[in-house]
Amino acid sequence: AQKITQTQPGMFVQEKEAVTLDCTYDTSDPSYGLFWYKQPSSGEMIFLIYQGSYDQQNATEGRYSLNFQKARKSANLVISASQLGDSAMYFCAMREDISNFGNEKLTFGTGTRLTIIP
Amino acid sequence: EPEVTQTPSHQVTQMGQEVILRCVPISNHLYFYWYRQILGQKVEFLVSFYNNEISEKSEIFDDQFSVERPDGSNFTLKIRSTKLEDSAMYFCASSEMGLETQYFGPGTRLLVL
Repeated sequence: AQKITQTQPGMFVQEKEAVTLDCTYDTSDPSYGLFWYKQPSSGEMIFLIYQGSYDQQNATEGRYSLNFQKARKSANLVISASQLGDSAMYFCAMREDISNFGNEKLTFGTGTRLTIIP
Repeated sequence: EPEVTQTPSHQVTQMGQEVILRCVPISNHLYFYWYRQILGQKVEFLVSFYNNEISEKSEIFDDQFSVERPDGSNFTLKIRSTKLEDSAMYFCASSEMGLETQYFGPGTRLLVL
């Protein structure tokens, strides 16, 4: 089974509208972290937002918020008031905290290509 | 703001040649990682490194790959004898502590001919 599933390969959204990018995950580990990264056409990976499995509140960072529904194992990214510069590939990733090393790998989804239409 | 840097940004090599990809992690970070992304595909974990040792490696990270922290700042990925299928974007990442956010470098785009 896929550990991270992003079911939307592509999305088109009008500028200034809000957009939700879906991410579901699969883990039996009680301690884990969920991340969203943005990859513009230039190729770099830009960290956007993080949610820990024990966090009581949904994470927010500026226009980004994470709609964390633990029971449904979903961690959707919400971008409010979208801008042309938001056009990029967006990856959801999970870190499972399963060892004592502390440097657990990230497992990525296949990504969603978001295009903002002027 | 501190950032992870990688050199070169692009590298073209012939099949069978050795390549070394270089990374300078964020200075106070202790945990280092390499990932790769084949064109159009998802990002895949290669290896994690802490305290001058490999902590974990994926199936991709076979005997052709090695990592090294030759000094206090650089972190390198060596591919001994490149194959066509090694063509990909290679990302270095670092984190301050193991369970903290991993910050990625801009990547090295490797093309094996």
